[in-house]
Amino acid sequence: GAGVSQSPRYKVAKRGQDVALRCDPISGHVSLFWYQQALGQGPEFLTYFQNEAQLDKSGLPSDRFFAERPEGSVSTLKIQRTQQEDSAVYLCASSFARDRGSYEQYFGPGTRLTVT
Amino acid sequence: AQSVSQHNHHVILSEAASLELGCNYSYGGTVNLFWYVQYPGQHLQLLLKYFSGDPLVKGIKGFEAEFIKSKFSFNLRKPSVQWSDTAEYFCAVNVYSGAGSYQLTFGKGTKLSVIP
Repeated sequence: GAGVSQSPRYKVAKRGQDVALRCDPISGHVSLFWYQQALGQGPEFLTYFQNEAQLDKSGLPSDRFFAERPEGSVSTLKIQRTQQEDSAVYLCASSFARDRGSYEQYFGPGTRLTVT
Repeated sequence: AQSVSQHNHHVILSEAASLELGCNYSYGGTVNLFWYVQYPGQHLQLLLKYFSGDPLVKGIKGFEAEFIKSKFSFNLRKPSVQWSDTAEYFCAVNVYSGAGSYQLTFGKGTKLSVIP
């Protein structure tokens, strides 16, 4: 079946602009995660949804970052007033299970955000 | 908070050489451990995972990893690498965050280049 998809794949934003990044998880997956991967680093956790509920947003770096998943499927990560330090690849992952750490997270291709 | 260390930033091997990539984590409780691989131009894919049972775990494409609890290690091995194994490899640990999710914590990754 189809994997996790993300759009756009590449985004260039001028400093101060708002951006919205979309994630389509695998159908039926309850859990959805967002990660941020800076150049030369591993992915870092941003936030987690179980269905439409955002249960963990402890990794969001500032209040300029906002995520939603209103119908428990598609999710959007929004970054307001982008800064250069926001330049990174933003990864979305989904997982079938809730509250079970041993289940695999399936990753999308990521959105590469460049803030100029 | 948990952390993951990958000892090698870049490893260069000739085809048929044996591979061992080091991974250590810092967390005193029960963990789930993963190795993900990212081939050039592709998204992160699961190589193998450990959550209980036999500490020697076999994954796809001939990879295996051994969980040594006393050393907090989960090293990745392959007896004979191929050119197609050229990729970036990420070790990750999955623990309950205490804030509602089983988030993955990744190492910085090891880039493997296999020379034909």
